[in-house]
Amino acid sequence: QSALTQPASVSGSPGQSITISCTGTSSDVGNYNLVSWYQQYPGKAPKLMIYQDTKRPSGVSNRFSGSKSGNTASLTISGLQAEDEADYYCCSYAGSNTFYVFGAGTKVTVL
Amino acid sequence: QVHLQESGPGLVKPSETLSLTCNVSGGSISNYYWSWIRQPPGKGLEWIGYFHYSGTTKYSPSLKNRVTISGDTSNNQFSLKLNSVTAADTAVYYCARDKGRTGVDPWGQGTLVTVSS
Repeated sequence: QSALTQPASVSGSPGQSITISCTGTSSDVGNYNLVSWYQQYPGKAPKLMIYQDTKRPSGVSNRFSGSKSGNTASLTISGLQAEDEADYYCCSYAGSNTFYVFGAGTKVTVL
Repeated sequence: QVHLQESGPGLVKPSETLSLTCNVSGGSISNYYWSWIRQPPGKGLEWIGYFHYSGTTKYSPSLKNRVTISGDTSNNQFSLKLNSVTAADTAVYYCARDKGRTGVDPWGQGTLVTVSS
């Protein structure tokens, strides 16, 4: 069982916006501004999409945005495109003992 | 541009030791932290631990009794050893650069290790 809770799947039509939630606790998501999000295509390595809750690495489309409220972080994909169909994982720093915890992943389907 | 490549046996027998190496090119391992992360088939990601060139290591509490991560700065590579493996350790193993507050990036392509007799 993963430490962070994500919906198993989210879907949307091209052009729409979707949001993926990532719920943790006051020991991880709620205690640090260190949530990151990763995109993974089948058979490929994950790719960093968001770090420090809301920041986007250079080269990542501005259609991807991150937010956080309390113990829940969210990834929003606006203007959904076929190429966004992938698995998305959230990750949070959880202190010096546990260090990193991941969610179980969310499969995004573009209808 | 930093590139990471995992190498090692794809099949390990139960109770034996899984050993993988990550070769880093395009950047020195004497900067940043260097992590191993795994993904069982069809499942999510699990952080295993990291190595820092200063000698500092950190391991997942669930694996710390079986795992060792070390670095070789002369060859710009770092390694993973996981002992007493079982079928539950079957996974794709990724090496990656951990930039701390700015995320884990990039990742190697991953290598599938199957534990089976």
